[in-house]
Amino acid sequence: EPEVTQTPSHQVTQMGQEVILRCVPISNHLYFYWYRQILGQKVEFLVSFYNNEISEKSEIFDDQFSVERPDGSNFTLKIRSTKLEDSAMYFCASSDRGLGTEAFFGQGTRLTVV
Amino acid sequence: AQSVTQLGSHVSVSEGALVLLRCNYSSSVPPYLFWYVQYPNQGLQLLLKYTTGATLVKGINGFEAEFKKSETSFHLTKPSAHMSDAAEYFCAVSGGTSYGKLTFGQGTILTVHP
Repeated sequence: EPEVTQTPSHQVTQMGQEVILRCVPISNHLYFYWYRQILGQKVEFLVSFYNNEISEKSEIFDDQFSVERPDGSNFTLKIRSTKLEDSAMYFCASSDRGLGTEAFFGQGTRLTVV
Repeated sequence: AQSVTQLGSHVSVSEGALVLLRCNYSSSVPPYLFWYVQYPNQGLQLLLKYTTGATLVKGINGFEAEFKKSETSFHLTKPSAHMSDAAEYFCAVSGGTSYGKLTFGQGTILTVHP
């Protein structure tokens, strides 16, 4: 069964460092998303990506964040200068038709900023 | 703007008992509603969804949910709990744009006792 794959599963980084979280969405999907979940809080939408550009982003997704689909398979989230409050579980998701269709989620990357 | 409220962060039932997880939503546009489940160390998996049509929707593992517009609710039920149902359950809403952004509730942890 097709699945969304995220790497690494856990990343520890020092405050101020850049991190790149990687995702391989399901191959025929067209819509890509990043969500995050701070420990004990809701899963929060960060950004959606369609047709090689950001289609929606939340207030959380400020200039420190960027997304890229560098080739036909990978979808990355970059945090330029990590803060302690960026510590969270980051989920990548993809769907084939956007609104109303199932988003398939990866297992998540746990980012710990120290 | 859309929002979701899940009543009860923890629900505990006995094996064989009815499972009822509550979800209320707020949306200024016709909502699309979802229930996702997360097992330990795994990503979010879709249980069921409501888009249009029949308001009682059936999902995987014997779960069902009923969309009640007048009550702005989308409660999740299962007639008889199984030990394997122990997990965290998330209600989510989307709508208003075509890109499929999900707004999640805070999650309900279901514990099933033998």
